[in-house]
Amino acid sequence: SQQGEEDPQALSIQEGENATMNCSYKTSINNLQWYRQNSGRGLVHLILIRSNEREKHSGRLRVTLDTSKKSSSLLITASRAADTASYFCATDRNDKIIFGKGTRLHILP
Amino acid sequence: DAGVIQSPRHEVTEMGQEVTLRCKPISGHDYLFWYRQTMMRGLELLIYFNNNVPIDDSGMPEDRFSAKMPNASFSTLKIQPSEPRDSAVYFCASSSLNGYTFGSGTRLTVV
Repeated sequence: SQQGEEDPQALSIQEGENATMNCSYKTSINNLQWYRQNSGRGLVHLILIRSNEREKHSGRLRVTLDTSKKSSSLLITASRAADTASYFCATDRNDKIIFGKGTRLHILP
Repeated sequence: DAGVIQSPRHEVTEMGQEVTLRCKPISGHDYLFWYRQTMMRGLELLIYFNNNVPIDDSGMPEDRFSAKMPNASFSTLKIQPSEPRDSAVYFCASSSLNGYTFGSGTRLTVV
């Protein structure tokens, strides 16, 4: 069963703009992770935020976590064509990670 | 480190045939996961192991699916007999305290 639900399902923005994707989940978690998947490829781990953290940065990525609202957001700043991919949030509870259905991000030149 | 290694990358088989997917996790990772990805259902967790022991197989769709991990460096996912609805990309992942790493997946097509 799906734990995380990403929003929006698809997003198209101009290169250089910021992209924001959201994730909501249902039950308590140990941590939340974001992954990227290029078409036809495997998943690449981007960032992990623990349940006691509120914000985390990694390069052009910024992740927030609000455990009271059971939601997280992924912000990609100054988007590039290479950022075109699907982005998934995954919740870690009791040692197993469950994925949402993802957001398809398309960066327009 | 070569990462998580899956084989084969692509598999096309006829309905009713047995299919075996293979995974070599990262050395030292004590968890191993099998996922299936389809357009309709997204990424589904099928089964996971901790220290070679199956912990949760509640995601395995039916008895036609079985998974084994005979040692810390090898796992298999077997489908017998295969059906067209099993067509999907199957991912293996391993993890330690430092995080998760996914393999490149096996694209299975059952005709």
